[in-house]
Amino acid sequence: KNQVEQSPQSLIILEGKNCTLQCNYTVSPFSNLRWYKQDTGRGPVSLTIMTFSENTKSNGRYTATLDADTKQSSLHITASQLSDSASYICVVPLDTGGGNKLTFGTGTQLKVEL
Amino acid sequence: NAGVTQTPKFQVLKTGQSMTLQCAQDMNHNSMYWYRQDPGMGLRLIYYSASEGTTDKGEVPNGYNVSRLNKREFSLRLESAAPSQTSVYFCASSEWVFASGGNTEAFFGQGTRLTVV
Repeated sequence: KNQVEQSPQSLIILEGKNCTLQCNYTVSPFSNLRWYKQDTGRGPVSLTIMTFSENTKSNGRYTATLDADTKQSSLHITASQLSDSASYICVVPLDTGGGNKLTFGTGTQLKVEL
Repeated sequence: NAGVTQTPKFQVLKTGQSMTLQCAQDMNHNSMYWYRQDPGMGLRLIYYSASEGTTDKGEVPNGYNVSRLNKREFSLRLESAAPSQTSVYFCASSEWVFASGGNTEAFFGQGTRLTVV
């Protein structure tokens, strides 16, 4: 079954600290993996897209890694800010041979506190 | 830059009522999608339109209908609302459908929070 699983479900950290969010996927065939940030009451916004040939990709204080062999990805947030409080969703497209489908993880709810 | 605009933002319906959720994008994208987001679950695809003039079912189409009015607009209709349709609905668009090997980016609207009582 094509799935995307994220951990932890929720996380609380102090402002300025780093954190790492995990994503395991079983979607096959694999083409790329996306990380989205979803603020409360808003739609998801793309942070990064990683293809199978990319190991690391950065977007400001966000760094995503991908290990296509173990089917794992992580999102590392450096020097967290209050504005980083959001849900982070891992997404993998599934090619259904004519249709299209994004397989969404359930997200990691991050709260950054003072 | 408006991106993807959804209306309304909030709606309360009584069981059995009907309503249409509106979505418009100004990025000249070919493909548009409707998702629902429920607590503890990832976003699930209801319907999508790969290009103007075509629509297809997603994972959870029962109880919904869609219309791709033109390239910009894609509406979602609930003919007879049920409490199980209480959810947050997101419209999204992308330049092309998500095909294997493609990095097509998806842009989401701000969502419609629907409560059916």
